[in-house]
Amino acid sequence: EPEVTQTPSHQVTQMGQEVILRCVPISNHLYFYWYRQILGQKVEFLVSFYNNEISEKSEIFDDQFSVERPDGSNFTLKIRSTKLEDSAMYFCAIPSSGGFNEQFFGPGTRLTVL
Amino acid sequence: AQSVTQLGSHVSVSEGALVLLRCNYSSSVPPYLFWYVQYPNQGLQLLLKYTSAATLVKGINGFEAEFKKSETSFHLTKPSAHMSDAAEYFCAVRSNSGYALNFGKGTSLLVTP
Repeated sequence: EPEVTQTPSHQVTQMGQEVILRCVPISNHLYFYWYRQILGQKVEFLVSFYNNEISEKSEIFDDQFSVERPDGSNFTLKIRSTKLEDSAMYFCAIPSSGGFNEQFFGPGTRLTVL
Repeated sequence: AQSVTQLGSHVSVSEGALVLLRCNYSSSVPPYLFWYVQYPNQGLQLLLKYTSAATLVKGINGFEAEFKKSETSFHLTKPSAHMSDAAEYFCAVRSNSGYALNFGKGTSLLVTP
């Protein structure tokens, strides 16, 4: 089963600041996803990224969000100017060994915006 | 758009009792359906998936789910609950425009001694 780590595990930031969340799969992957879960609510899809391009995104993924694969081994989600309502758990996911119909989720980054 | 509805935000069962977590889907095409479990302060772990093969799907930890097209349902069951099953359970459906998952609101399972 593929493994993926996320850093940091917890990020506290001031409103209006930029944050970068990182996702590092154990093995090379070209395809990954970002989801978020606001406390007490359901998991929501943000964006999928394949071969250095966004392949699918939700209405949540607006201009304040961006994704990159900066060095070929990890993936980042950037929030340019954080808002209070961005406080959430952010999960990255990658296709599992079962193929694209399965997604393996990382442990998540808890983002707290003050 | 593909969506799922989970009936019951909280379910409480006694240890050893049957677990039944309900999920109904809405889909314009044959759906790909999933159940994920989330233990406190952890990520999401795949329990099982339906991808148009057998309608009765067996997953990890003794869970199974049955796809019923006539009822647009994909309920999760386990014959005998364990204390360790206490967690949040999410039903999800794959979008028809890609591989994104659309999750339900989740059901919190409490197992009492």
